[in-house]
Order: sequence, then structure tokens, then C-alpha cells
Amino acid sequence: EAQVTQNPRYLITVTGKKLTVTCSQNMNHEYMSWYRQDPGLGLRQIYYSMNVEVTDKGDVPEGYKVSRKEKRNFPLILESPSPNQTSLYFCASRRTGASAQHFGDGTRLSIL
Amino acid sequence: SQELEQSPQSLIVQEGKNLTINCTSSKTLYGLYWYKQKYGEGLIFLMMLQKGGEEKSHEKITAKLDEKKQQSSLHITASQPSHAGIYLCGADIAGSNYKLTFGKGTLLTVNP
Repeated sequence: EAQVTQNPRYLITVTGKKLTVTCSQNMNHEYMSWYRQDPGLGLRQIYYSMNVEVTDKGDVPEGYKVSRKEKRNFPLILESPSPNQTSLYFCASRRTGASAQHFGDGTRLSIL
Repeated sequence: SQELEQSPQSLIVQEGKNLTINCTSSKTLYGLYWYKQKYGEGLIFLMMLQKGGEEKSHEKITAKLDEKKQQSSLHITASQPSHAGIYLCGADIAGSNYKLTFGKGTLLTVNP
């Protein structure tokens, strides 16, 4: 089944404790991205990747890092999480060209 | 200013009623995508529209892209409680380099 898988689905942690949210897709998509979704602000793109070893900042990259060492994986790293990073996070992938973007089920992060 | 405006922000209808959600851009849309999201869950892809005047249907949901490719509407006929959720439009806009621009969503409540 074609899907985007992200883990964990839920995480409660404390300020400053490094964490990684993993994302994997099995559709051989070139383009992958991370979003955060907050009430009243909608979906905002954090980082994106056009292909392996090619990553770039989205609209709200501060406090986040990503890597794209393999085509299928695109982890999101919070080196020193802070409470303002409490949010619902989505990983997504798509082919380059006109095509639908597929989303993971989301990761709800709470930073205390 | 928001590049993709959705209206209304929220909508409450009685089961069985028809409804329409709009998505408007000031720029030409090269691809328009409708998604549905249950609160706190992932985005489910509904339909993709590319050509001016294009119309697609899936069960009781119909989406159209206007001839100028700057506005799309999503119409639900004979709404049911299962239609409740957040509807988001996403679009490929000129110069966006595969980044989807999203509207802020329309929260639909269907009362039995």
C-alpha cells in the first residue's frame, strides 16, 4: 500500500531534549516536505527536499533540521525543542510535476 | 496576505442539505487539490483539478476549477454526518517549485 509513515504519532517531552520524528515513503517520490499545523495559522511548511541530498528552508524553518540521505526517508530533527514547537506535524511526499501530495497521519508533539 | 483564500471558514448544515466551499487565488493555479481532514488526523486526498473548466466527482462530492484557473469550488450534495471535517484546498501556483500553497481550511459540521 502506497503510504507516508511517520513516527511517533504522539510525543510529550521537555524543553531542550533533542528529538527526531521519522518519515518514510514507499512511492519513490522525489519531493518530500514537513509541515506544522496550528489553530488559526493553517499548514506551514518547515523544510522541503527536492531529492536526495537536496534540502531547503520552507516558511518556518527556525529550530528545525532535516536530512535526506536516502530517497525514502526525510527525518525532522529538533535539536533543542522549546514550548513554541508544540504542534501537529505532517510529513508529505509527491512526484515532481502535477501530482497530489500524500500526507502521513501526523505527529502530535507537546514540549513542556 | 493569504495567497489562497477559502470560504467560508466554517459551515454548519443540516443532514441532507447541499453546500459549497470556495477556494480563490489572485494568481493562476496550475494544479488544485482538495483534501479532507478529520480533527487532529492526516489529510486525505479527494481530487485534483488541472484544466480550466474541469469538473470531477467522487460519490456526492463534486469539485470544479473555473475557466480562468483562479477559483475552485467543492460542492457536497445531500450532506451526511460522514462528510463532517475540515476541507482544505492546496494549489500549485506559478513559481512555487512544487511547494503546495494551502488555504486555511473550512470546518464543516453536519447535524443529524
